[in-house]
Amino acid sequence: EPEVTQTPSHQVTQMGQEVILRCVPISNHLYFYWYRQILGQKVEFLVSFYNNEISEKSEIFDDQFSVERPDGSNFTLKIRSTKLEDSAMYFCATKEGLANEQYFGPGTRLTVT
Amino acid sequence: DAKTTQPPSMDCAEGRAANLPCNHSTISGNEYVYWYRQIHSQGPQYIIHGLKNNETNEMASLIITEDRKSSTLILPHATLRDTAVYYCIVRVLLGGYNKLIFGAGTRLAVHP
Repeated sequence: EPEVTQTPSHQVTQMGQEVILRCVPISNHLYFYWYRQILGQKVEFLVSFYNNEISEKSEIFDDQFSVERPDGSNFTLKIRSTKLEDSAMYFCATKEGLANEQYFGPGTRLTVT
Repeated sequence: DAKTTQPPSMDCAEGRAANLPCNHSTISGNEYVYWYRQIHSQGPQYIIHGLKNNETNEMASLIITEDRKSSTLILPHATLRDTAVYYCIVRVLLGGYNKLIFGAGTRLAVHP
């Protein structure tokens, strides 16, 4: 069964550094999402992406965050200057155009020290 | 999107049916009920969704009351691997890029 993959599984970075989290969507999926989950808290929506542009973003998704699909396959989340409070699990999710359910990847655990 | 209310935790014996309730008394006519689960910090996993008719798939059954103000997710024969946090989410079906809004969910513990 096709699945969403994410790399790396765990990223440790120092405060102020840039990180790029990568997601490989299911091949025929056209809608892409990033969510995050701080340890012990709810899963929170960050951003949705369709047709090479952001379709919706949350208040969390400020100017430090950006997304792109640089090569038509990978979907990336960049955090320009990480803060301690960015430490969380980051989940990518993708969705086929006409289907209703989102498929989530296994997540990247980001630890900012 | 309508808000949902779920019990914070439930227990179930292995092999028995797990019935997870969800209240969504402010649901609108065009809003669907979705269920996802999250097994120990893995990515959330889609289970099932419905509008007003009861639904069944290989994972679970979804029973929606006639007034659509509540629903129950049924895992007919729970296994230890069904131990997870279960999320009931209500949202419109735009067919497009709409986000999922997760609550705290119900933590289901399946015990031997």
